Amino acid sequence: EVKLLESGGGLVQPGGSMRLSCAASGFTFTDFYMNWIRQPAGKAPEWLGFIRNKANGYTTEYNPSVKGRFTISRDNTQNMLYLQMNTLRAEDTATYYCAGTGRGDYWGQGVMVTVSS
Amino acid sequence: DIQMTQSPSFLSASVGDRVTINCKASQNINRYLNWYQQKLGEAPKLLIYNANSLQTGIPSRFSGSGSGTDFTLTISSLQPEDVATYFCLQHNSWPRTFGAGTKLELK
Repeated sequence: EVKLLESGGGLVQPGGSMRLSCAASGFTFTDFYMNWIRQPAGKAPEWLGFIRNKANGYTTEYNPSVKGRFTISRDNTQNMLYLQMNTLRAEDTATYYCAGTGRGDYWGQGVMVTVSS
Repeated sequence: DIQMTQSPSFLSASVGDRVTINCKASQNINRYLNWYQQKLGEAPKLLIYNANSLQTGIPSRFSGSGSGTDFTLTISSLQPEDVATYFCLQHNSWPRTFGAGTKLELK
């Protein structure tokens, strides 16, 4: 059974940092592009970025809206995906999803991040 | 960025109705268009990929069509469990962009 489980969310002050984690199981992690997508309450999702699979050298792409503030990384020995978020703003408040794409389209259940003083 | 204009924003229909949702891209995206279903409190779920390919496990009442800039998601016979918000997503170019969503409810 495929599972993606995000963790690390919560409340953070504007200007602060937070690291989200995503534990993956049930599929060959290194075969998949791994993605972060966020969704503010009541709004459409926004695709933040991805890290490519082994065959494509684990390189990254970022949405210009977060480039330079957010960093995506993966630990292929632990089947973990990470999102390091710096200089957080109120508009970063959202539910954050990790997703594996490739031979399948797998999403986690999401984790809430609230940026507020 | 490619803008995705989805219509209608809200749709009310009866069980058994044929339902169509449209998505228009601001430029040619070939067939690189996915459709997602999102139920309340859940993550989006892929229904259709590359405009007209049915994802494994998705009921055949869902279908997609279109290419270039104009795309359609069709539910051939609406079921109660289809109540959800539907989003289109273009993956022709980066950044990927979603439509604003169509909220579907039962009449």
